[in-house]
Amino acid sequence: QQQVKQSPQSLIVQKGGIPIINCAYENTAFDYFPWYQQFPGKGPALLIAIRPDVSEKKEGRFTISFNKSAKQFSLHIMDSQPGDSATYFCAARLDSNYQLIWGAGTKLIIKP
Amino acid sequence: DTGVSQDPRHKITKRGQNVTFRCDPISEHNRLYWYRQTLGQGPEFLTYFQNEAQLEKSRLLSDRFSAERPKGSFSTLEIQRTEQGDSAMYLCASSFRWGGVYEQFFGPGTRLTVL
Repeated sequence: QQQVKQSPQSLIVQKGGIPIINCAYENTAFDYFPWYQQFPGKGPALLIAIRPDVSEKKEGRFTISFNKSAKQFSLHIMDSQPGDSATYFCAARLDSNYQLIWGAGTKLIIKP
Repeated sequence: DTGVSQDPRHKITKRGQNVTFRCDPISEHNRLYWYRQTLGQGPEFLTYFQNEAQLEKSRLLSDRFSAERPKGSFSTLEIQRTEQGDSAMYLCASSFRWGGVYEQFFGPGTRLTVL
């Protein structure tokens, strides 16, 4: 099953809060899990990524938690700022051809 | 600017017309991908090239769609006899193997509106 299920569809958080976006997959042939950030009218930009042999990765205020046995991974944004307001996509890459399978996206709004 | 560039950024056309989009990847990136993104959805894979070879095409890529990457540099995506359902953002990405990973870098996209 080549699907990545992402939730929630939208999220509103106060400035300084910690939004959490979750993704789940079924296919075990995925070998790389990136998160992309997209602003209106722009292409997606790589934010942070993780391989399945690592349970957590942190880059600045962004952290990915990865649970291989549950086939779930999530993005946490620490000390969120209004400038973080964007649509966030999780994705999973097929190890056979490096094709990215994308989640449906989460529209995040950080209120001042 | 050393990022992925796409041209045009916006295209409005009438149903039945042909359109062509161009993507210039990051220099020395040997892989180039085309995606389609509709409002409120994640990108959907269309096709990808390794150098000049088109290695895979999605079933979303009907006979009206054709992509080329002559000489393994820039790429073009042509849509013939456009339909209203073709209205979407067309995204191009390029990648290069570094540290065992092909990270994909996206261009700003071409927004197509078919009237």
